[in-house]
Amino acid sequence: DAGVIQSPRHEVTEMGQEVTLRCKPISGHNSLFWYRQTMMRGLELLIYFNNNVPIDDSGMPEDRFSAKMPNASFSTLKIQPSEPRDSAVYFCASSDGGTGAEDKHFGDGTRLSIL
Amino acid sequence: SQQGEEDPQALSIQEGENATMNCSYKTSINNLQWYRQNSGRGLVHLILIRSNEREKHSGRLRVTLDTSKKSSSLLITASRAADTASYFCATEANSGYALNFGKGTSLLVTP
Repeated sequence: DAGVIQSPRHEVTEMGQEVTLRCKPISGHNSLFWYRQTMMRGLELLIYFNNNVPIDDSGMPEDRFSAKMPNASFSTLKIQPSEPRDSAVYFCASSDGGTGAEDKHFGDGTRLSIL
Repeated sequence: SQQGEEDPQALSIQEGENATMNCSYKTSINNLQWYRQNSGRGLVHLILIRSNEREKHSGRLRVTLDTSKKSSSLLITASRAADTASYFCATEANSGYALNFGKGTSLLVTP
């Protein structure tokens, strides 16, 4: 079965440009998470959706970051304008349920480099 | 915010040896999970241990949990080169739905 699918796998762009990361969760999963991974800070939760509704966006760094989930099979994370400090690997994860006990299924991530 | 902290940061062993990684956390938990991350890939769930459990096995994996010391360990027996990866412990955040991950232990298994 298909896992969580993220695109693109790699993105290199210049600072100031808009960046859009995409995620297709596992069919039937009702929870979706966006995480950011850096060497300095490890894995940080950015935003959590449940049944397509944003429940917790307290991890979103600043107003330059926005996320949407227009339907159960698609989510985007947008950065506008991008800055070099946004360089990181961005992961999307989905799970069936809304507690911390379920397995989180991660995509392979988008490696973002802002020059 | 990070809850779990893995130790050691890096571990290098030879195939066939056992690998032990430790995780310490700060607040009370309902469960603790271990994940593996291969280079360039996403995290893969390995095992979950609940707060009322002391030990759990899954294949070559053995996880222990000591809630009095707020610590857990992951033992990989008879390691293989394919076990080379980073290993993360994760605890349930106060929110009840998200996970807080440590920075991981990087394991290298050489043939």
